[in-house]
Amino acid sequence: SQTIHQWPATLVQPVGSPLSLECTVEGTSNPNLYWYRQAAGRGLQLLFYSVGIGQISSEVPQNLSASRPQDRQFILSSKKLLLSDSGFYLCAWSAGASGNTIYFGEGSWLTVV
Amino acid sequence: AQKVTQAQTEISVVEKEDVTLDCVYETRDTTYYLFWYKQPPSGELVFLIRRNSFDEQNEISGRYSWNFQKSTSSFNFTITASQVVDSAVYFCALNGEGSNYKLTFGKGTLLTVNP
Repeated sequence: SQTIHQWPATLVQPVGSPLSLECTVEGTSNPNLYWYRQAAGRGLQLLFYSVGIGQISSEVPQNLSASRPQDRQFILSSKKLLLSDSGFYLCAWSAGASGNTIYFGEGSWLTVV
Repeated sequence: AQKVTQAQTEISVVEKEDVTLDCVYETRDTTYYLFWYKQPPSGELVFLIRRNSFDEQNEISGRYSWNFQKSTSSFNFTITASQVVDSAVYFCALNGEGSNYKLTFGKGTLLTVNP
């Protein structure tokens, strides 16, 4: 069966520090991968998605970037964190093609201080 | 453009009551998919159901049931005989043929089931 893991689960980072959140999927090949952010107020915002290695689409301009160095690995990064980057970050995957179910990881709580 | 509206921000019920969570959607796509997710306090989004636009059959899974009505663009979720463990935020979401992999979420409904 397919599983998705992301880490770290929780981190507290000072303003201006770098960020790296990592996500891996097991049990499937060539998945679509996604990074979502959930800020206070519960709304879920799609940040990035990827349909293949090295292929990244950004949904909103921001202080973050994403990379997909391997088929089942998705990394969310920032060179310098802002206070507004605080939130709950969720990695997700689907089996490709619109309409397929998107499955989410456990999430990472980021607090920028 | 796609839109999902969950008008109920918060609902509070007593255990064993039935509760319905409303979801209304907007899309121009002919082929689209509707989803419900559960987010317990731990934060992880748990997939509950996926329904495509050509299948209007209602579905029941244990205490959970879903009522899909294209005529009113609604995909409502009912929990029968609610339990404390059902307490969570529930999200309705939409993915259409023209959305290019984007899943549009409603703002969620916080359900609190009190003992």
